[in-house]
Amino acid sequence: NAGVTQTPKFRVLKTGQSMTLLCAQDMNHEYMYWYRQDPGMGLRLIHYSVGEGTTAKGEVPDGYNVSRLKKQNFLLGLESAAPSQTSVYFCASSYPHNAGGTEAFFGQGTRLTVV
Amino acid sequence: RKEVEQDPGPFNVPEGATVAFNCTYSNSASQSFFWYRQDCRKEPKLLMSVYSSGNEDGRFTAQLNRASQYISLLIRDSKLSDSATYLCVVIYSSASKIIFGSGTRLSIRP
Repeated sequence: NAGVTQTPKFRVLKTGQSMTLLCAQDMNHEYMYWYRQDPGMGLRLIHYSVGEGTTAKGEVPDGYNVSRLKKQNFLLGLESAAPSQTSVYFCASSYPHNAGGTEAFFGQGTRLTVV
Repeated sequence: RKEVEQDPGPFNVPEGATVAFNCTYSNSASQSFFWYRQDCRKEPKLLMSVYSSGNEDGRFTAQLNRASQYISLLIRDSKLSDSATYLCVVIYSSASKIIFGSGTRLSIRP
């Protein structure tokens, strides 16, 4: 049981390049989230999904796109990377909150640097 | 105004001390509350849920005050291993979002 797995763990991009971060969970969770964490800013929600085929914007969605084609996977895309997107990205998953779901389980993070 | 606000610290206290953090939230429709712990360069992990009646887990006590819209975390007899960032988390009843505070850094010195 791997929990939540993020790939890659590290990446350096040049400005304007694109990339996709993959999040996979094997806990059959309905909800999945993408956060970014910057010094002094805590975790800020980028996008989230409450089920396969659905996505919604969080606090800081600009410059990112997401897809949830399969329940176990949540992809975060950067179409044209900018230095402001240098950050640590965390994926998380949980059961629905109204179904007693509480704990969010996190991946180990992806450290992205855009130069 | 941020939806969830915390004192960023850092709190630097001696081993064995008692330390308390507060967190305020702005949306009265908030449903569920938690404290997470994050170690340096690691992912956040659930520390404890926060219930209206208050709850305790060993040296840790969490309280919720809905009228004043804040939650608190008390750590007694602090250990060196308690050094970490503590994140306040709120889940809204009207949405499916999990909102994190910016975290409070705690450093325990010998």
